[in-house]
Amino acid sequence: DSGVTQTPKHLITATGQRVTLRCSPRSGDLSVYWYQQSLDQGLQFLIQYYNGEERAKGNILERFSAQQFPDLHSELNLSSLELGDSALYFCASSPQGLFPYEQYFGPGTRLTVT
Amino acid sequence: DQQVKQNSPSLSVQEGRISILNCDYTNSMFDYFLWYKKYPAEGPTFLISISSIKDKNEDGRFTVFLNKSAKHLSLHIVPSQPGDSAVYFCAASAEQSRGGSNYKLTFGKGTLLTVNP
Repeated sequence: DSGVTQTPKHLITATGQRVTLRCSPRSGDLSVYWYQQSLDQGLQFLIQYYNGEERAKGNILERFSAQQFPDLHSELNLSSLELGDSALYFCASSPQGLFPYEQYFGPGTRLTVT
Repeated sequence: DQQVKQNSPSLSVQEGRISILNCDYTNSMFDYFLWYKKYPAEGPTFLISISSIKDKNEDGRFTVFLNKSAKHLSLHIVPSQPGDSAVYFCAASAEQSRGGSNYKLTFGKGTLLTVNP
């Protein structure tokens, strides 16, 4: 158990809909990262928040947005969903200090768009 | 443009033998490398890492080797155990992306390791 929690575990929705994925980082971790893993693909970095502020953006679509709240949990919002958005979405958090590269991943949310 | 490449989608080895997983990268700015292990229905788990100032890092049965001139790293598992069967991801981080606590990782597509009893 990494200490990172993600809800829901599975999500099935229709094209055009909007969903929200939730992540709670490990206790004390200020950074939250979101990654997408599509079929036969590695993990693609989407976006990072640090203590409530956006710090970096990757290949995140304009239809997607995220935020980090004062209690440090984060939400990833996906709107106008398309079939190609079906994927595993992982959240990770990292500690401050000596080894900030070592990110701890949650179990993921499997999104299926039908 | 894939900056981190794992060219072997799968690898099968016998229990007790050595497993060697390879990873190549193209971005010369990468200066920190990590290996993650992933079991089905779970998130990736950090395994071992290496800084670009080193060429080897060892942790128990796991050793990572880095050849900067060839832009290549490898993970050695000795001896391999059936419980090591998982997908292994290579990941890298670049100095230029680390301003302001940004430690974004770039991942390869993974190699499925199967260790046969």
